[in-house]
Amino acid sequence: GENVEQHPSTLSVQEGDSAVIKCTYSDSASNYFPWYKQELGKRPQLIIDIRSNVGEKKDQRIAVTLNKTAKHFSLHITETQPEDSAVYFCAASKSQGNLIFGKGTKLSVKP
Amino acid sequence: DAGVIQSPRHEVTEMGQEVTLRCKPISGHDYLFWYRQTMMRGLELLIYFNNNVPIDDSGMPEDRFSAKMPNASFSTLKIQPSEPRDSAVYFCASRDGRGGFEQYFGPGTRLTVT
Repeated sequence: GENVEQHPSTLSVQEGDSAVIKCTYSDSASNYFPWYKQELGKRPQLIIDIRSNVGEKKDQRIAVTLNKTAKHFSLHITETQPEDSAVYFCAASKSQGNLIFGKGTKLSVKP
Repeated sequence: DAGVIQSPRHEVTEMGQEVTLRCKPISGHDYLFWYRQTMMRGLELLIYFNNNVPIDDSGMPEDRFSAKMPNASFSTLKIQPSEPRDSAVYFCASRDGRGGFEQYFGPGTRLTVT
């Protein structure tokens, strides 16, 4: 079955710096790659996603890149702000929709 | 739309007791997922339904866990008997299979088994 590895497990940056989180997946049939943000005590919420027919997608300060050949995808957050502090999860899925999540990255943005 | 609704939000029970968690998906969504989140194991898919039919229950840890979806508006996850290692946050999520792949999570139920 699918396996998703996520790195790093913790990341600390200064406000205004960029943050990059990387994930690899094992199943070449996976075609949907979402990123979820989970604040403390809250539910995971989708922040951006990408499908396998696209190499990059941007939404304001966040972007996701996908390398299908290498089976890895990354989340990039630019101009980080304290409110970006949270746990971020990557996931992979085939079209039927059951998401396999990475273990999460705790991002801390220091003012 | 009210979003995915879960109840109770918190549950504290003693080992050996039966626990029932409830979920109401977003109206019109035909997929429903149950996840468990712990520090050690992260977010794990337990089971998911499509049109009220269980599609994949390979994540259900053992026979003590069971899930049902009697209609499109309601699902339950039952643990009988409960054990301390079942302590976790249980999330329900739903998706509209006609649209994109986004799953919408409920607020979760924090279960503590003493």
